[in-house]
Amino acid sequence: VQLVESGGGLVQPGKSLKLSCSASGFTFSSYGMHWIRQAPGKGLDWVAYISSSSGSVYTDAVKGRFTISRDNAKNTLYLQLNSLKSEDTAIYYCAGRGPYYFDYWGQGVMVTVSS
Amino acid sequence: DIQMTQSPSLLSASVGDRVTLSCKASQSIYNSLAWYQQKLGEAPKLLIYSANSLQTGIPSRFSGSGYGTDFTLTISSLQPEDVATYFCHQYYSWPLALGSGTKLKIK
Repeated sequence: VQLVESGGGLVQPGKSLKLSCSASGFTFSSYGMHWIRQAPGKGLDWVAYISSSSGSVYTDAVKGRFTISRDNAKNTLYLQLNSLKSEDTAIYYCAGRGPYYFDYWGQGVMVTVSS
Repeated sequence: DIQMTQSPSLLSASVGDRVTLSCKASQSIYNSLAWYQQKLGEAPKLLIYSANSLQTGIPSRFSGSGYGTDFTLTISSLQPEDVATYFCHQYYSWPLALGSGTKLKIK
C-alpha cells in the first residue's frame, strides 16, 4: 500500500489550492479515505472523510470551504481548499482505509497560507 | 462532539522501563480507540486499534487496554527507537477526534 500526496505550496489568504493523493497497492474504489492535517508543532486534526460511494463528512472548521472528492478510475483522492486562512497552514496527510482508524498514511504535503 | 485528553503531555523514561500513557474520552466510545506513533519528521503509524488489537508488524512490547472512557497504551520495555509522540484517536462518532499527544523521551 502506498499513498502519495501532491499539490501543496504557498498560497495567499482567500485563495484556493487542490491537493491530490495517489493510491496504489489496494483496491482504492472499495475503501473510504480521509484527510488529516497537522499545524507546525501541533497535534493531528481530522479534516474530512469520503466513503467508497462518495458520501462525505467534514470537521466544522472547514465545512463550506473544503471539498473532498475521489476519482476511482485514477486511484486518486482529492481535497479542494477554498477561502484559505492562515490557520489552515499545516501538513496535510491522506490516510485510509475505511471509516474508522487510519491503517495507512501518506508522507504528507505542506500547505502554507501567507501573504 | 467527543473530546480526547491525553496525559502526560511529556514523559521521560529510561531504556527498559515500563511506560504507561493515558487517554480519556469525554463520553463513552466503547472500544473505538486507536493509538498512533509519530517519529520526528515522519507520518504517523498505526500501533493499536479496537483499544487492544496490535496492528500487524508492531512489536509485542506495545499493548493497549481500556473500555468506555479510559484507555492506556503500555510499552513493556522502552527501547531507544520508541522516542516519538503518541496520539490516541476515537472513531466511535463523527467528527473523528484525536488527542493532543504524549511526547516520549529517553532519560
